[in-house]
Amino acid sequence: AQKVTQAQTEISVVEKEDVTLDCVYETRDTTYYLFWYKQPPSGELVFLIRRNSFDEQNEISGRYSWNFQKSTSSFNFTITASQVVDSAVYFCALRMNTGFQKLVFGTGTRLLVSP
Amino acid sequence: ETGVTQSPTHLIKTRGQQVTLRCSSQSGHNTVSWYQQALGQGPQFIFQYYREEENGRGNFPPRFSGLQFPNYSSELNVNALELDDSALYLCASTSWGGETQYFGPGTRLLVL
Repeated sequence: AQKVTQAQTEISVVEKEDVTLDCVYETRDTTYYLFWYKQPPSGELVFLIRRNSFDEQNEISGRYSWNFQKSTSSFNFTITASQVVDSAVYFCALRMNTGFQKLVFGTGTRLLVSP
Repeated sequence: ETGVTQSPTHLIKTRGQQVTLRCSSQSGHNTVSWYQQALGQGPQFIFQYYREEENGRGNFPPRFSGLQFPNYSSELNVNALELDDSALYLCASTSWGGETQYFGPGTRLLVL
């Protein structure tokens, strides 16, 4: 079975602080995809990044960066110099590369960035 | 390019009633998935539709059913509503074999 664990329920930081959101996943498959989505109060899930299991290169996109480590089954997300607009719930998700496209989500981490 | 749209945005029903939620997929996408997100939880996969047929289902009872139309839009129907059906219902679309699902704004359903 597939499982995603986001142990941090809620994180509070002050603007301009760096923050890392943790994600640990479980799967027996060798081919899979990992995702991060952002959910602002409006409710819509906004796609941030996708990684496939063959690509362990870390990625940086502006203030966002992602650290994928297969050895520890982790896919962590760091926001540098956080801003109030980053306040949202962030979800990590896992999808197999076979069959239908079911996403398995973690329980999410609520990030509160205060001025 | 038009994103995923859902209607209605909010809905209030009473226990035992039936409800239909609607979703229009992003242009160029032919696969639609539905998710249920209870308060404080991550989304849970309900089912997926491709070529007007259900081709994958999560752990939801048969009173959750769906349709997909030739224009790839979709409906989620829930019969005999229960209080625990109160949730945000999210629709996501992708192309078949596509790697990323794009979500709509959701429908908030409250069952009293």
